Amino acid sequence: TQLLEQSPQFLSIQEGENLTVYCNSSSVFSSLQWYRQEPGEGPVLLVTVVTGGEVKKLKRLTFQFGDARKDSSLHITAAQPGDTGLYLCAGLRAGNNRKLIWGLGTSLAVNP
Amino acid sequence: NAGVTQTPKFRILKIGQSMTLQCTQDMNHNYMYWYRQDPGMGLKLIYYSVGAGITDKGEVPNGYNVSRSTTEDFPLRLELAAPSQTSVYFCASSYLDRGLGYTFGSGTRLTVV
Repeated sequence: TQLLEQSPQFLSIQEGENLTVYCNSSSVFSSLQWYRQEPGEGPVLLVTVVTGGEVKKLKRLTFQFGDARKDSSLHITAAQPGDTGLYLCAGLRAGNNRKLIWGLGTSLAVNP
Repeated sequence: NAGVTQTPKFRILKIGQSMTLQCTQDMNHNYMYWYRQDPGMGLKLIYYSVGAGITDKGEVPNGYNVSRSTTEDFPLRLELAAPSQTSVYFCASSYLDRGLGYTFGSGTRLTVV
């Protein structure tokens, strides 16, 4: 059972389009992290969100943490080929069992 | 600033051989981790360490061993390589707590034949 579901699994869009990817769970998280991984490289941390309802912006990327801290979304405005990669979310479970749970990722291809 | 450095980048092992994957970080991070990443399976935690001299098992520790003699280094040892250990291995570190985000190395692609 995957505790952190990411959708869609694959996404192929044209340069300039907008997109949103999702990270959903039935569990509550203390914090949630988003990473981007390019082929042949390790994941690179984009942002950490810690407060329910929190919105963080990183240039054309907007991250939102759900009010109940069970889900998150990543919105990219005017996607560029450099945005291509695997987007991973990871949530730190709330409570005593502070385990970091990883999603399987959304593979994004932005075509010129 | 080097961050997390992993060596080697690629390696082919024969069944039954042993090897050590090296990981070093220069950020004075207390926490270090070893993950493996397989297609469609995501990142699986093998071992982690909360400081020098302290290590603990993750989700998939069988077939692996680790040591943490210094803050900087966290090598992963494969004693008797098996085809099931063919994977991409990532070392990561974090300053205080796993909830604040990790810095990953660039990975080691290991093939066992």
